[in-house]
Parts: sequence; structure tokens; C-alpha cells
Amino acid sequence: DQQVKQNSPSLSVQEGRISILNCDYTNSMFDYFLWYKKYPAEGPTFLISISSIKDKNEDGRFTVFLNKSAKHLSLHIVPSQPGDSAVYFCAATQGGSEKLVFGKGTKLTVNP
Amino acid sequence: GAGVSQSPSNKVTEKGKDVELRCDPISGHTALYWYRQSLGQGLEFLIYFQGNSAPDKSGLPSDRFSAERTGGSVSTLTIQRTQQEDSAVYLCASSLVDSAEQFFGPGTRLTVL
Repeated sequence: DQQVKQNSPSLSVQEGRISILNCDYTNSMFDYFLWYKKYPAEGPTFLISISSIKDKNEDGRFTVFLNKSAKHLSLHIVPSQPGDSAVYFCAATQGGSEKLVFGKGTKLTVNP
Repeated sequence: GAGVSQSPSNKVTEKGKDVELRCDPISGHTALYWYRQSLGQGLEFLIYFQGNSAPDKSGLPSDRFSAERTGGSVSTLTIQRTQQEDSAVYLCASSLVDSAEQFFGPGTRLTVL
């Protein structure tokens, strides 16, 4: 049973436009969410996170939105750049645990 | 560099052989994690070490898998009698205590023929 779901395996956008990556979760006990970015042949790198006490967190071009009632979060990248092309993983944890549950990832391609 | 390192970067082995994968975490990080990513899948949690506490082995898929962490630093993941379904990228991560932000190594790509 997948507790964190990224239903879109891939997404393609034009440079300069907005990229929206979605993530759904089933465990209502999750209270902290993270996005990781992964380039080929490299390990994932932390991008941005959000606590369940917030509904939005922004860092430069990256904004994460959390809708607790829908158990849904999204990552917005604006404007998108070709260097943003990577696989993006959503992850969740609960109760201060460092153990993360990851989604399967969404491959983002930003076309010049 | 000061990041998480893993060795080897690639490992090809024959079915039935044992393999050892190594992880050097970031200095000062007390938590260490092993994950694996099979083709087309997300990161699957395997095992978690936190300081001197007993490791959380709940993600290990079978008793052929084991891991140890010596001196609270370097960790070795051992897979005995490898099977073809063990082929995956094995990722190690470390973090500071009480931090959910994990820092990943580049991974070891294991191929079992």
C-alpha cells in the first residue's frame, strides 16, 4: 500500500512557464513533507519542505502548497528553467521521525 | 568533499554471490539510512541507524540483507546469495539528529546477472 503517491510519472513544460508537481498521501499522521530533486547518476538533493502547521512555504522560484483536508501537496516552480529538468520525489514523515516515506517520483522536462 | 560517499559506484555480480556496499556519512551526522531504488520505482526504505540505538530494520526485504554501522560512522550493507531481483540502485543518506532533511550519497548501482 503506497502511502505517498505521485500519479504523474512525467511532466513536460516550456522554459519560463510554471511547473506544477503533485503528490497525494494517505496517512493522516504525516506532519512534515519534503521535496527532493534527483539528477541522473546522482543521489537526491533536498529542495524544500513544509510542516503541517503551514499551508505554503516559498523559497525563491520554488513554492510548496499543502492541503491537509485533501491530503495533497504540490510543488510549483516558476519560472521553469532547463536546469530544473530532473526527477522530483515527494516524501513524508510523522511525529518527528527521521524515517521518510517516498513517492515514485515525477520526471520533469523543461524545454528551451 | 564533505558529502555522503558510497562505494563502489557500480557493482556487477553473479547470482548467488555475496556483495558488500559501503557508505561514509557526513561527519557529525548521527542518523544513517539505506534505501534502494528499483527501475521505475521510488525510494524503498531498508534500514535506519540512529546513534547507539538499535537499528530499525523494518524495511529489509529478506534475511539475506543485513547492515552494520561501525563506530557510529561508516556503514556496510551486505546482501548474501544475491538474486536478480536485488538489482537496483542502493542509496545511503545521513542526517543530523532530529532533522528530517537527509543528505544522500550518489548510490551504488548493483546488477545481478
